[in-house]
Amino acid sequence: GAVVSQHPSWVICKSGTSVKIECRSLDFQATTMFWYRQFPKQSLMLMATSNEGSKATYEQGVEKDKFLINHASLTLSTLTVTSAHPEDSSFYICSAELIGELFFGEGSRLTVL
Amino acid sequence: QKEVEQDPGPLSVPEGAIVSLNCTYSNSAFQYFMWYRQYSRKGPELLMYTYSSGNKEDGRFTAQVDKSSKYISLFIRDSQPSDSATYLCAMSAISNTNAGKSTFGDGTTLTVKP
Repeated sequence: GAVVSQHPSWVICKSGTSVKIECRSLDFQATTMFWYRQFPKQSLMLMATSNEGSKATYEQGVEKDKFLINHASLTLSTLTVTSAHPEDSSFYICSAELIGELFFGEGSRLTVL
Repeated sequence: QKEVEQDPGPLSVPEGAIVSLNCTYSNSAFQYFMWYRQYSRKGPELLMYTYSSGNKEDGRFTAQVDKSSKYISLFIRDSQPSDSATYLCAMSAISNTNAGKSTFGDGTTLTVKP
């Protein structure tokens, strides 16, 4: 199957700093990628839809100025958590669609101290 | 009330057992039903995908959909320790070109003991 790579897989940062997470489709081009947040033992919550060459579409309740999404190429989308706080600590997962099937990245665990 | 309800478990079975995982839903518009497997600290991977009522089989896995009851199931035959993971159901009301906007269940954690 298609491969989606996420980096970093684990990041610890201090409160107030910004963290960037990358999502790459390694063997296919993805005009659309999705970013999710997952708390322990809870479901994936869609945060935003990342569209190549245009602005991301954010789900209700997700602060677009807090979670900056850039989809500058057909193989790369980035999520930047700005001015991170402890409540932003979570597991962030991206996915990309290929012929209607979703392929997920391995996830990035963010811990904000 | 959530649109998709899934028993979080945990579910523990001996190796070789038949496992039944279930989700119920309330949105009649859901037409596409998926099951994902998620190992600890990893992203989910698609196991099964179906859009019609009835059964769909793939190896040891069978997905069952009952739209009249708004109930879906995933059966795992001859379960193996490698099947130990969290299983997420997901549903979508629109074309599969928007699979990323599926509604996910909370996941059921399964442990298969040798």
